[in-house]
Amino acid sequence: ETGVTQSPTHLIKTRGQQVTLRCSSQSGHNTVSWYQQALGQGPQFIFQYYREEENGRGNFPPRFSGLQFPNYSSELNVNALELDDSALYLCASSLASGIRFVGYTEAFFGQGTRLTVV
Amino acid sequence: AQKVTQAQTEISVVEKEDVTLDCVYETRDTTYYLFWYKQPPSGELVFLIRRNSFDEQNEISGRYSWNFQKSTSSFNFTITASQVVDSAVYFCALSEDPWRAPETSGSRLTFGEGTQLTVNP
Repeated sequence: ETGVTQSPTHLIKTRGQQVTLRCSSQSGHNTVSWYQQALGQGPQFIFQYYREEENGRGNFPPRFSGLQFPNYSSELNVNALELDDSALYLCASSLASGIRFVGYTEAFFGQGTRLTVV
Repeated sequence: AQKVTQAQTEISVVEKEDVTLDCVYETRDTTYYLFWYKQPPSGELVFLIRRNSFDEQNEISGRYSWNFQKSTSSFNFTITASQVVDSAVYFCALSEDPWRAPETSGSRLTFGEGTQLTVNP
């Protein structure tokens, strides 16, 4: 196990609703990244949080938003759900040193939240 | 923009066969990391290996080995003596330049579409 936990594991929502997904990062990790994985495809980077601020965003609309808390856990919020938002949402935590040329840990992933929009 | 291509959608082998998964990538960064992850049916992505772009030495770790060739932008992954438990989807991934934005870019990943590996008894 990676120590990264996500909740809930499964979720069914209706089109137009809002959803919040949660992620607890591995102890000591300060960076959380969120990915969307549609069925049969590779994960797509949504955004990343570092020290409670968004630090990089993929090609996703503003209705995808997030938060990172002082304990480095994180939330992903999706407003106005669409059918195409149905996917596995993966959270990954890592430790960034913040110091140039110093290494960092690789990203460790949670088991994901399977979101179905009907 | 970064791109990772895994041309093999599905591979099926018989147990104990060796199998190589292909990965080709595109990036304008001169420094980056390459990864292989495994995704069993449970859904969790399991980290397998990481390679720095400035180190082309190929290595073996147990039954896993990899062949990184910067000249052809390829990062192939080989499982020796495959086992049924190796059955999963395997993803190749590419990071952004960790020296350009040192805080976190090394952990922002671009994934390929994955290769479904089935190992039959």
